[in-house]
Amino acid sequence: NAGVTQTPKFRILKIGQSMTLQCAQDMNHNYMYWYRQDPGMGLKLIYYSVGAGITDKGEVPNGYNVSRSTTEDFPLRLELAAPSQTSVYFCASSYFVGGTGETQYFGPGTRLLVL
Amino acid sequence: GQQVMQIPQYQHVQEGEDFTTYCNSSTTLSNIQWYKQRPGGHPVFLIQLVKSGEVKKQKRLTFQFGEAKKNSSLHITATQTTDVGTYFCAGPPKGTSYGKLTFGQGTILTVHP
Repeated sequence: NAGVTQTPKFRILKIGQSMTLQCAQDMNHNYMYWYRQDPGMGLKLIYYSVGAGITDKGEVPNGYNVSRSTTEDFPLRLELAAPSQTSVYFCASSYFVGGTGETQYFGPGTRLLVL
Repeated sequence: GQQVMQIPQYQHVQEGEDFTTYCNSSTTLSNIQWYKQRPGGHPVFLIQLVKSGEVKKQKRLTFQFGEAKKNSSLHITATQTTDVGTYFCAGPPKGTSYGKLTFGQGTILTVHP
């Protein structure tokens, strides 16, 4: 299993440009998440999905959009990139069936620089 | 909303010294998870604690979950250079049925050889 994969690894955007960060998992996990991590900071949840066709906002959703048409893929769309979106973006997945919790598996991350 | 705080933010130790990081939640947690992120890497799951007062060990790492299920700690005995990285705690609020986690800001550990 490849686990959670993310593309691209690194990208430079100009202000106002748009892009899609790709995320895929091959573990048949129902939950998927997008986080951003600013330098020296923790992880902030942007959006999450509990299954195909179902998404919801996290802590910092402004400026981003997501969709989940399949169990495997969970792309993150940036519209009108701004310097404040310079960050490292992590996708994660988990198999959650309720109860006491679950482990989240993280992808390698996408480093985004907006100039 | 729920807040998860970790102290210290940074810790520099000499190799062989012990290290402890503390995690405090503003709300009761149904469980607490710990992750490690190596420099330039991604978070990797270390352990999950579920029961009040639970203590778990992984070689030189000891994890504790508080009696009130609002705090936790990670203790590393005799640190090694391979322990370098950022340690995060994370937990879902008690009673939540969805798989969301709130992460602390992490403790960055530096080990000097």
